[in-house]
Amino acid sequence: DTGVSQNPRHKITKRGQNVTFRCDPISEHNRLYWYRQTLGQGPEFLTYFQNEAQLEKSRLLSDRFSAERPKGSFSTLEIQRTEQGDSAMYLCASSYDWGGEAFFGQGTRLTVV
Amino acid sequence: KNEVEQSPQNLTAQEGEFITINCSYSVGISALHWLQQHPGGGIVSLFMLSSGKKKHGRLIATINIQEKHSSLHITASHPRDSAVYICAVGLGLFGNEKLTFGTGTRLTIIP
Repeated sequence: DTGVSQNPRHKITKRGQNVTFRCDPISEHNRLYWYRQTLGQGPEFLTYFQNEAQLEKSRLLSDRFSAERPKGSFSTLEIQRTEQGDSAMYLCASSYDWGGEAFFGQGTRLTVV
Repeated sequence: KNEVEQSPQNLTAQEGEFITINCSYSVGISALHWLQQHPGGGIVSLFMLSSGKKKHGRLIATINIQEKHSSLHITASHPRDSAVYICAVGLGLFGNEKLTFGTGTRLTIIP
């Protein structure tokens, strides 16, 4: 297993378009997390899954954002009708459900123009 | 006021110097994490601790639960240690479910 994988690494999109990001966690990990990081700031929690169940969503996750983990393996994060304020690094992490460190992917950098 | 405060925000030091980065938090936590972020975005977990002290190579992390304070130390610093160091706290049962992050400390080690 090569760690947490995120695709694409970079995405430039026009305002109003929809975008989808994918995260492949470490295969034995049943917890998966999405965070968003804007320039000069620390990451902010968006949502997390245990297996296929979405256990918590941040208030930051407006109704334009949706995340899924249909088979408890990979996850997708979709942003509809993108706005310039959505420009950020979107980070995915995974861990075991009994605790331990979270392992992060390289992130997807979204630029909305 | 942020729940997690780090200091300093920026730190420049000469190679070989002993480095200390501080983290204070204002809420009860299950665990505290120290992470390293290099340019390009990738984040690497350095430590997860809920009490006492942990050491890995030249890195040492300590936490004082009563004072709600943690420190990350780097001994014999090297230019490859240059990165952003981020403190994060875990509030859930296992300490990793929903991390709250500080804004990071940008460390630059000059050869």
